[in-house]
Amino acid sequence: GAVVSQHPSWVICKSGTSVKIECRSLDFQATTMFWYRQFPKQSLMLMATSNEGSKATYEQGVEKDKFLINHASLTLSTLTVTSAHPEDSSFYICSARDILGQYNEQFFGPGTRLTVL
Amino acid sequence: GENVEQHPSTLSVQEGDSAVIKCTYSDSASNYFPWYKQELGKRPQLIIDIRSNVGEKKDQRIAVTLNKTAKHFSLHITETQPEDSAVYFCAARGRQLTFGSGTQLTVLP
Repeated sequence: GAVVSQHPSWVICKSGTSVKIECRSLDFQATTMFWYRQFPKQSLMLMATSNEGSKATYEQGVEKDKFLINHASLTLSTLTVTSAHPEDSSFYICSARDILGQYNEQFFGPGTRLTVL
Repeated sequence: GENVEQHPSTLSVQEGDSAVIKCTYSDSASNYFPWYKQELGKRPQLIIDIRSNVGEKKDQRIAVTLNKTAKHFSLHITETQPEDSAVYFCAARGRQLTFGSGTQLTVLP
């Protein structure tokens, strides 16, 4: 299957700082990428849909000014958590849809564990 | 939007027995139903999927059934092994992929 990478795999930061997470599709083009958040022992909650070359679509309840998404190319989307607070600590997972794939499948990155002190 | 409900939330079976996890969805336009296995701290891994034009699909010990009329789909794992222990998520895709709440499967040796 296709490969999606995420960087960093984990990050610890102080409250009030900003953190950028990168999501890359390594061997396919992805016009659409998705950002999920997962709390311990809970399901994946879609935060936003990232579309290459246009503004991201945020789910209800997700602050667009706090979670900045940029999808500047067909292989890279970034999520920036601005002015992070301890309640932002979570596991963030991206996924990318293979637009040229036979079944338009969605592949997940390995996730980024964010801890805000 | 889409709403996916998954049951049970926890399931313990003896090694060699079968396990069944059930999901329902609300959006009749959903046409793709994947199942994911997620180990602690890892990414979800696609284990099997089914599309709306198919009623059943099988891959070795894993099978999925879909009832479009009733809007429910199920995962069946036969001859369970300890390595099958993980959290399993169903999902339904209409406009976007919506996940169920997950099932913690424990296979007891």
